[in-house]
Amino acid sequence: SQQGEEDPQALSIQEGENATMNCSYKTSINNLQWYRQNSGRGLVHLILIRSNEREKHSGRLRVTLDTSKKSSSLLITASRAADTASYFCATASRYSGGGADGLTFGKGTHLIIQP
Amino acid sequence: EAGVTQSPTHLIKTRGQQVTLRCSPISGHTSVYWYQQALGLGLQFLLWYDEGEERNRGNFPPRFSGRQFPNYSSELNVNALELEDSALYLCASSFMWGDSGETQYFGPGTRLLVL
Repeated sequence: SQQGEEDPQALSIQEGENATMNCSYKTSINNLQWYRQNSGRGLVHLILIRSNEREKHSGRLRVTLDTSKKSSSLLITASRAADTASYFCATASRYSGGGADGLTFGKGTHLIIQP
Repeated sequence: EAGVTQSPTHLIKTRGQQVTLRCSPISGHTSVYWYQQALGLGLQFLLWYDEGEERNRGNFPPRFSGRQFPNYSSELNVNALELEDSALYLCASSFMWGDSGETQYFGPGTRLLVL
């Protein structure tokens, strides 16, 4: 079953603008991750934020996490045409044995960057 | 360093047949995960293997099975194929233990079409 729900489902912006995508989830998590998928290919890991973190940066990416609202946002600054892709949030719950369990993905936001 | 590899890239089968998909994890990773990305259903967790054992499975019928070999590579088997099994099957790998075990690295996927 899907835990995360991304919003919006699709987003089209001009190159150079900032893109913001939101994700909501339902159960308690150990961490939340964002992935990018180009044209139905494999997923590329973008960033991981732990449940005890509120904000994280990686290059042009900024992720926030609000565990009280069970929500996260991904901000891509100064967008480029190459950022055109689908973006997914995924939540992880720690396996009782200590390792990572299967990720629960949202349905994704399709981002189009217009040149 | 080589990433996660999957074979074959594309596959066409008919209903009722059986299929085997293969995955080689990143060197040093002991955990392998399988996901199904079907149209309209999003990314769904299928199976998780570590050290040759099945650690967890998603909400899929028993005709979805797999195994992990001593070299940590993995196979996903689907018996009695149904039309709705048509999907992109993604494999991911990670370390099992520690903080770094929570990031899963995905392969390019195998696209299965069932006619």
